[in-house]
Amino acid sequence: NAGVTQTPKFRVLKTGQSMTLLCAQDMNHEYMYWYRQDPGMGLRLIHYSVGEGTTAKGEVPDGYNVSRLKKQNFLLGLESAAPSQTSVYFCASSSWDTQYFGPGTRLTVL
Amino acid sequence: AQSVSQHNHHVILSEAASLELGCNYSYGGTVNLFWYVQYPGQHLQLLLKYFSGDPLVKGIKGFEAEFIKSKFSFNLRKPSVQWSDTAEYFCAVNAGGGSQGNLIFGKGTKLSVKP
Repeated sequence: NAGVTQTPKFRVLKTGQSMTLLCAQDMNHEYMYWYRQDPGMGLRLIHYSVGEGTTAKGEVPDGYNVSRLKKQNFLLGLESAAPSQTSVYFCASSSWDTQYFGPGTRLTVL
Repeated sequence: AQSVSQHNHHVILSEAASLELGCNYSYGGTVNLFWYVQYPGQHLQLLLKYFSGDPLVKGIKGFEAEFIKSKFSFNLRKPSVQWSDTAEYFCAVNAGGGSQGNLIFGKGTKLSVKP
């Protein structure tokens, strides 16, 4: 039982490049989330999903897209990376009450 | 909009000192309350949570928190900290119950424990 896993762990992009972050959970949770963590800002919700095939915007959705084609996977895409998207990205999943977090992806955009 | 305030940005304590980290939220209805901990270089882990019932909640590693509805507060406490408690602590609130994307985090409090 791996819980929530994220790939990759680290990535460096140039401005304008695109990439996809993958989140996978093996707990059969319905809900999945993408957060970004910036120093002094706590965690801010980017997008979330309440079930397979559904997505919704969180607090800071601009510049990101997501997809939930399979229940266990939640993908976060950056179509044209910007330096302001340099951050640590955390994925989480939950059944209904408690969110469980992945190990994070550290993304640097030059 | 709902918000969560953590009063202290950085707290420095010596081992065996008592700890209290403040957390206040702004929402007048039903809330679920959480404290998460993030050890250096690691992901967030749940320390404790409050949904209903006894307002004094006990979590892992000797932590506890008290929900005071009249003060909109959910402060985290530990009677005697250890060096291994060095971490960042986040208070989070879910307004209206459940966890459907509306978990609001505070900005975090860094705790440094001197051996």
